[in-house]
Amino acid sequence: QSALTQPASVSGSPGQSITISCTGTSSDVGGYNYVSWYQQHPGKAPKLMIYEVSNRPSGVSNRFSGSKSGNTASLTISGLQAEDEADYYCNSYRSGTTFYYVFGTGTKVTVL
Amino acid sequence: QVQLVQSGAEVKKPGASVRVSCKASGYTFTTYYIHWVRQAPGEGLEWMGIINPNGGSTSYAQKFQGRVTMTRDTSTSTVYMDLSSLRSEDTAVYYCARDLTGNRSGWYAYWGQGTLITVSS
Repeated sequence: QSALTQPASVSGSPGQSITISCTGTSSDVGGYNYVSWYQQHPGKAPKLMIYEVSNRPSGVSNRFSGSKSGNTASLTISGLQAEDEADYYCNSYRSGTTFYYVFGTGTKVTVL
Repeated sequence: QVQLVQSGAEVKKPGASVRVSCKASGYTFTTYYIHWVRQAPGEGLEWMGIINPNGGSTSYAQKFQGRVTMTRDTSTSTVYMDLSSLRSEDTAVYYCARDLTGNRSGWYAYWGQGTLITVSS
């Protein structure tokens, strides 16, 4: 049960935009719209930022947006702010002999 | 408001078992699936399994098959995660998380505060 692939780190200056990729297969990211993204600050529980590929839960800034192309999903943070510095994880439903869910390897976002 | 309150930290010896509880409030308990996710120190998130509080059906990640059991008590709106044959690699923070919608979407909208399980001789 291999994890989805994310870059280990992404950085940007305040005000810039960054994009985090999440690469899977046709059995997970490419085959279903059950992709979600989570932000996690040190010592805290993760927070849902994007669900169903591109939807934002109530209360999440519209600076966060999601998309998908083929087997790769992406999270874009525009107008980067200091408080965006955190770890980010994608997650997807994966089909197989039984259904399950898989997280990405995680990406550390640094605001320069 | 939706709340998931987990039991406290525990220290266990290798080979022992542990039970983590997750008490839900602020919504109809049987309407939403509950997932368990763990995070080893300095590592990423790992999905362990899911339970449907309406009926109690479960599905576990292959890695934990045979070692994990998830149950629920509808009278107290509590979900339990039992992990047996503990080894040092099971040292982690264990989270329960509730689905955003009433189907098993895997969109974890609400999280417990986490429970640190330390496995050490």
